Amino acid sequence: RKEVEQDPGPFNVPEGATVAFNCTYSNSASQSFFWYRQDCRKEPKLLMSVYSSGNEDGRFTAQLNRASQYISLLIRDSKLSDSATYLCVALGGSSYKLIFGSGTRLLVRP
Amino acid sequence: DGGITQSPKYLFRKEGQNVTLSCEQNLNHDAMYWYRQDPGQGLRLIYYSQIVNDFQKGDIAEGYSVSREKKESFPLTVTSAQKNPTAFYLCASSLDGTYTFGSGTRLTVV
Repeated sequence: RKEVEQDPGPFNVPEGATVAFNCTYSNSASQSFFWYRQDCRKEPKLLMSVYSSGNEDGRFTAQLNRASQYISLLIRDSKLSDSATYLCVALGGSSYKLIFGSGTRLLVRP
Repeated sequence: DGGITQSPKYLFRKEGQNVTLSCEQNLNHDAMYWYRQDPGQGLRLIYYSQIVNDFQKGDIAEGYSVSREKKESFPLTVTSAQKNPTAFYLCASSLDGTYTFGSGTRLTVV
């Protein structure tokens, strides 16, 4: 079983749609969680950190449920520019390395 | 501006050859990492170094070697023992949980 699992997608949605990505992690010792965005053939870039209390950054909302070991990302009012792969990431229990999910691909169509 | 630089951007290797990928950072980060990404996959950790003159194997270290003689530099050598080296290689550095990625090197075996 992978340490961080995501639905690979692709999610194909119209502009303006709301889309949700889910992620589960297996290491209960993981302390920190993130969502990264990766454009085709580019390096991943940090989208947002994920906190137990939930956090919002504009159209993006991230949630963490430690009891279920579940992480989510909600994107409201999707834009064409949101098309990318979204990587769910956990910081390893020993806090020295990032563990990446395989990514969920999002395609936003006009 | 501080950052992390990988070179070259594209690299072609003949079977049986060793090649070295460069990674340099001027962020004064102590920790550096090498990840490999295959199409449709997340990033997998090859090697990491938390301090100069020290490094540890990641999840897929076989066929790779590294050195950390200077804080700024963490070169990765892909040896002939790596049977499937064609991939996208990403270098990263971190300090206090903040990660920065290089723009990657795309290695192709011809």
